[in-house]
Amino acid sequence: NAGVTQTPKFQVLKTGQSMTLQCAQDMNHEYMSWYRQDPGMGLRLIHYSVGAGITDQGEVPNGYNVSRSTTEDFPLRLLSAAPSQTSVYFCASSGQGVLGFGKTQYFGPGTRLLVL
Amino acid sequence: AQKITQTQPGMFVQEKEAVTLDCTYDTSDPSYGLFWYKQPSSGEMIFLIYQGSYDQQNATEGRYSLNFQKARKSANLVISASQLGDSAMYFCAMREGPTGGGNKLTFGTGTQLKVEL
Repeated sequence: NAGVTQTPKFQVLKTGQSMTLQCAQDMNHEYMSWYRQDPGMGLRLIHYSVGAGITDQGEVPNGYNVSRSTTEDFPLRLLSAAPSQTSVYFCASSGQGVLGFGKTQYFGPGTRLLVL
Repeated sequence: AQKITQTQPGMFVQEKEAVTLDCTYDTSDPSYGLFWYKQPSSGEMIFLIYQGSYDQQNATEGRYSLNFQKARKSANLVISASQLGDSAMYFCAMREGPTGGGNKLTFGTGTQLKVEL
């Protein structure tokens, strides 16, 4: 199993450009999430999905779109990049667990994004 | 109010000593889960340990144990016999409610642990 994979590892964008961060998992997990990590602020939830075709907003969704057409993939789209979106982005996945109490959330290696 | 509070921005510990990293949480949901993650300088997030709000016993995983005090809303991570490889950032996180609503985590700001010889 590859676990959770993310591409690219590093990206530089100019203000106003758009791009898609890719995330895939091969563990047949129902739940997938996107977080951003900024210095001194821990990780914050951007969007999440509880299954194919179902997505919802997290704490900081503005400027980002997601879709979940398959169980395996959960891409994050930046519509018009801004310097405030410079961050490290982590994708995560987990199973539902017993009685809905999933214990382990697996994180991808992260994507470092710099917006100039 | 902060849902997860980690009051120790940085900690130092001698090799082979035990260290406790503090975490307090705030929730009114009776069903929740508490997680600890390790982030080494390479940047990946490594799951360490989990405690469910209904678990009767404190969680343990090898050298990691979670000192869960429900009434005080604290979930401190104890690392026994520290090793140089334990030097990293440590994050406490909480999921409110069962995962039927998605495994959404709220993270603290982290504690940077440095293990010294």
